[in-house]
Amino acid sequence: DIQLTQSPSFLSASVGDRVTITCRASQGISSYLAWYQQKPGKAPKLLIFAASTLQSGVPSRFSGSGSGTDFTLTISSLQPEDFATYYCQQLNSNPQTFGQGTKVEIK
Amino acid sequence: EVQLVESGGGLVQPGGSLRLSCAASGFTVSHNYMNWVRQAPGKGLEWVSVIYSGVSTYYADSVKGRFTISRHNSKNTLYLQMNSLRPEDTAVYYCARGPGNYDSRARGFDFWGRGILVTVSS
Repeated sequence: DIQLTQSPSFLSASVGDRVTITCRASQGISSYLAWYQQKPGKAPKLLIFAASTLQSGVPSRFSGSGSGTDFTLTISSLQPEDFATYYCQQLNSNPQTFGQGTKVEIK
Repeated sequence: EVQLVESGGGLVQPGGSLRLSCAASGFTVSHNYMNWVRQAPGKGLEWVSVIYSGVSTYYADSVKGRFTISRHNSKNTLYLQMNSLRPEDTAVYYCARGPGNYDSRARGFDFWGRGILVTVSS
């Protein structure tokens, strides 16, 4: 199975900050990576697919990059509604594993 | 408008069974690959199972041999039959829509239900 390791697990930041979350795969997954945002009590929301493609309706302050084993999610200017937990997911092969999550909290 | 609505959750004793349903609207479940994802209380997301637009199915090792994914095309509904339930199966279960074919799998899961709680306890 492919393991995904996110870092950091927890991040404290202020409104307006640039935030970067990384996701490392235990083996190459090409660009078969998605990023999700989840708020407490809610279902996950797709932000980025194919490593770098912004899902329709997602603000342009979100961006993704990477291929192979190393990926990043960047929020260019953190907004109050962005405080949430973020997950990466590999879609290259079954089981379609998720990273352990990165919780972004207000400093 | 695409909607996914889960039902069938609740409290069940260890060793018991439950069948979750996910009623879809706004699209045809047989045209997309459909997934179940779960989240234990306070924990991260765990992918559970997928059914492709053909008949292929796959499962996480943690549920293999105990859970069965299926769909009813005329009811446009996805199911998860859960047998031999264990306390560690306690979680919110989400159904989630994947893309229309395996080659488009990089598109991720674009629609999710609100989730349904399954509690396994004596």
